[in-house]
Order: sequence, then structure tokens, then C-alpha cells
Amino acid sequence: DSGVTQTPKHLITATGQRVTLRCSPRSGDLSVYWYQQSLDQGLQFLIHYYNGEERAKGNILERFSAQQFPDLHSELNLSSLELGDSALYFCASSSRWREGRNYGYTFGSGTRLTVV
Amino acid sequence: SQKIEQNSEALNIQEGKTATLTCNYTNYSPAYLQWYRQDPGRGPVFLLLIRENEKEKRKERLKVTFDTTLKQSLFHITASQPADSATYLCALEREYGNKLVFGAGTILRVKS
Repeated sequence: DSGVTQTPKHLITATGQRVTLRCSPRSGDLSVYWYQQSLDQGLQFLIHYYNGEERAKGNILERFSAQQFPDLHSELNLSSLELGDSALYFCASSSRWREGRNYGYTFGSGTRLTVV
Repeated sequence: SQKIEQNSEALNIQEGKTATLTCNYTNYSPAYLQWYRQDPGRGPVFLLLIRENEKEKRKERLKVTFDTTLKQSLFHITASQPADSATYLCALEREYGNKLVFGAGTILRVKS
């Protein structure tokens, strides 16, 4: 267990629907990152939140949005789903502000989204 | 945008040998370069981080080198074991705390 919790582990939904993926970072970590991993694209950065504020955006579609709440958990909302959105979605947290700059990110086990 | 190249072909080696994986990048030099291990269906696991002013870093059987002139990092696993079989990802960070950009990864297979 990495300490980063993602729910649900699996999600199957139909095209056009909307889903919400949830992430709880490691205790004390202020940064949350969302990544999408599909077979043909590898790990793609979506968005970064730090202590409730958006810090960086990747190639995130307009149909996707995210937020980080006061308790530091984060949600990724995916709407108007298309078949091509089927992928593994990972959340990661970082504690480098506490542990120093020699540490990387801690990833969760991911949510596998299947759009049918 | 930053482009990261890792060996697209799987690396097959014999147990006990040293595995060497390559990461080449274009455009800007990253402030931090990281290596991760990923097993099928699992999240990446952080292994090592090296900064732009560091040449080499070691951790147990792992060693990372960073050559900003060649724009290349090498990742070595010495005395490799079948349990080291996984996909290894190189990732670059332009600034501290900024987004981490990943390469496609190299599959390593260690045969006994």
C-alpha cells in the first residue's frame, strides 16, 4: 500500500456519461497530480493541485475537470465520455516540501475506466 | 515540448548480469530526472531522483547517471534478478514541483 488511495478501482460506463474519480493523497502531502495512461499514449500528465490551488495543467480535455478539497483529497471529473477515454487514471502525491528534494512522487493503484 | 526517448524494444538479459536502460531527451535540460518502475496494471513506483548538477546517484543495486551535455540518463541494475522484470520509466521535471513528464518506458525481462 503506497498510502495514496484511489476509488473506484474499476469503472465501466457508457459513452456520453459522466464519472468522478477520487484520490486521497498520503497523509500530509499537499500536492496531488493526475495522470492518464493508455496503451498508445503512455503516462500523460493532466493536472497538478497544491493545497487546493491549481498549479499546472497538461493536455487535459475541456470535458475533464478536477479539484482539490480542504481535506486535500482530489476528484477528477470526466464528462461526455468517449470510447477513447478508456484508460488507467492515476493519482500521485508528493511530500517533497517535507521530505526534501530527493524524493519523487507516490502513485496510487489507479482507476481503470472502460467506456462502452 | 519536451520529447523523451526510451528503448522501445524490450531488454532481455540473463540473471546476474547488469541491465542498462537509456533515456534521451530533447529541448530543455530538466532540473530533475527521475526513474520509476511499473508492473502491469499497477501504479509507478519511485526509484531514484538525480538533479541537473549531479553526475551519478546510487541506491543499493541501482545506479543512475545524468549527462546534460549528451542529454542522456543511464539507469543500471547490477546483479539483476527475475524479480527486476518490469517496465522502467524515465521522467523529467523542468522545475521543482512542476509537472513530471514521462517517457514511454522500457520493458526489462530478466531470465533465470
